[in-house]
Amino acid sequence: GAGVSQSPSNKVTEKGKDVELRCDPISGHTALYWYRQRLGQGLEFLIYFQGNSAPDKSGLPSDRFSAERTGESVSTLTIQRTQQEDSAVYLCASSSWTSTDTQYFGPGTRLTVL
Amino acid sequence: GENVEQHPSTLSVQEGDSAVIKCTYSDSASNYFPWYKQELGKRPQLIIDIRSNVGEKKDQRIAVTLNKTAKHFSLHITETQPEDSAVYFCAATDTGNQFYFGTGTSLTVIP
Repeated sequence: GAGVSQSPSNKVTEKGKDVELRCDPISGHTALYWYRQRLGQGLEFLIYFQGNSAPDKSGLPSDRFSAERTGESVSTLTIQRTQQEDSAVYLCASSSWTSTDTQYFGPGTRLTVL
Repeated sequence: GENVEQHPSTLSVQEGDSAVIKCTYSDSASNYFPWYKQELGKRPQLIIDIRSNVGEKKDQRIAVTLNKTAKHFSLHITETQPEDSAVYFCAATDTGNQFYFGTGTSLTVIP
């Protein structure tokens, strides 16, 4: 089946504007993760969804960041009042209930804040 | 929380030689350790993983070893090829809820 998809692939925005990034996990995967990867850096955990449980938001860097997930499907990551330091690739990953440890990554959204 | 350190940050090897990347972790509760390969501009891809109930796992030219006592695990790539050139990330988790990644190793295989 299809892998994890993300949209848009690239987003250029002006400082202060809000952006919304979308992730479509693999069908049937109950766990969904968002990460941020700055240029030349590692993966920084942002938020984790598992089924209908309350999300683990401990990685969100500020209250400008929020994420939602509808059931076990699409998730959106919203960044309000974007700042230049928000420029990064935002990666989404999903994993199945039967194998919560194996993550499959999407291609990422490259966000550039001017 | 967990802290994962990865070394070296860059590694160059001649084609055919072996490459070793090491990671240490701090939380003894961590029990799953995946390794990801990320080619330039591409998404991370799982290449091998190991769970805490085994000490070594091998898949063709790639192997991972785990020392729970010392809290470190290593990726071994033998007979390196140019297509092995990429950034490699290690990670650790105890519950699968939150993964802690190393800072990555940029591997260059020189033909």
